[in-house]
Amino acid sequence: QLQLLESGPGLVKPSETLSLTCAVSGDSISSNHWWSWVRHPPGKGLEWIGEVYQSGSTNYNPSLKSRVTMSVDKSKNHFSLKLNSVTAADTAVYYCARSTDFDNWGQGTLVTVSS
Amino acid sequence: QAVVTQEPSLTVSPGGTVTLTCGSSTGAVTSGHYPYWFQQKPGQAPRTLIYDTSRRHSWTPARFSGSLLGGKAALTLSGAQPEDEAEYYCLLSYSGVNYVFGTGTKVTVL
Repeated sequence: QLQLLESGPGLVKPSETLSLTCAVSGDSISSNHWWSWVRHPPGKGLEWIGEVYQSGSTNYNPSLKSRVTMSVDKSKNHFSLKLNSVTAADTAVYYCARSTDFDNWGQGTLVTVSS
Repeated sequence: QAVVTQEPSLTVSPGGTVTLTCGSSTGAVTSGHYPYWFQQKPGQAPRTLIYDTSRRHSWTPARFSGSLLGGKAALTLSGAQPEDEAEYYCLLSYSGVNYVFGTGTKVTVL
């Protein structure tokens, strides 16, 4: 059974870089799937951030593309998100998910941007 | 960036039927957008109900069905249950390299 688990700092200062990791268990990160990040700001709707493939290929939301980097670590069977130059508007619950049919999601992790 | 629009809120009686829609600012929604539908309850991660317009996951109750209707993607709930009260989001794929979520519909069962 596939399980995804997000981890990372819950508090990030403005202008700094948000870094999260999604640990994958029950499947190989090298399998034929894309892996996504989605966020949910408080009181707002869901926003797709982007996705990464095992080869390192990526697709990003055009509105976030200039600040986002995603990568895969096959040795640790996890994938990562970096979002730089954060502001309060980046405060959200961040989810990782398997993009193939979006059939599996992590539980989400709250990241607050505040000084 | 496309804007994907849903009804802000809908109310359905227990046992009743309601249809949610999902429109795109770029034109008609087609099967090529591979429409998804998610249910999200407070404090929980989204749960996929429908993918590829009308395909259900093994955990999707049969009372949920997906379709294309009048240039939009649609999610129909037939025989609403109290536990169906939630926020529902659609998701559209644009050229296979960009996904856009809809604005969300809050469904009340009352």
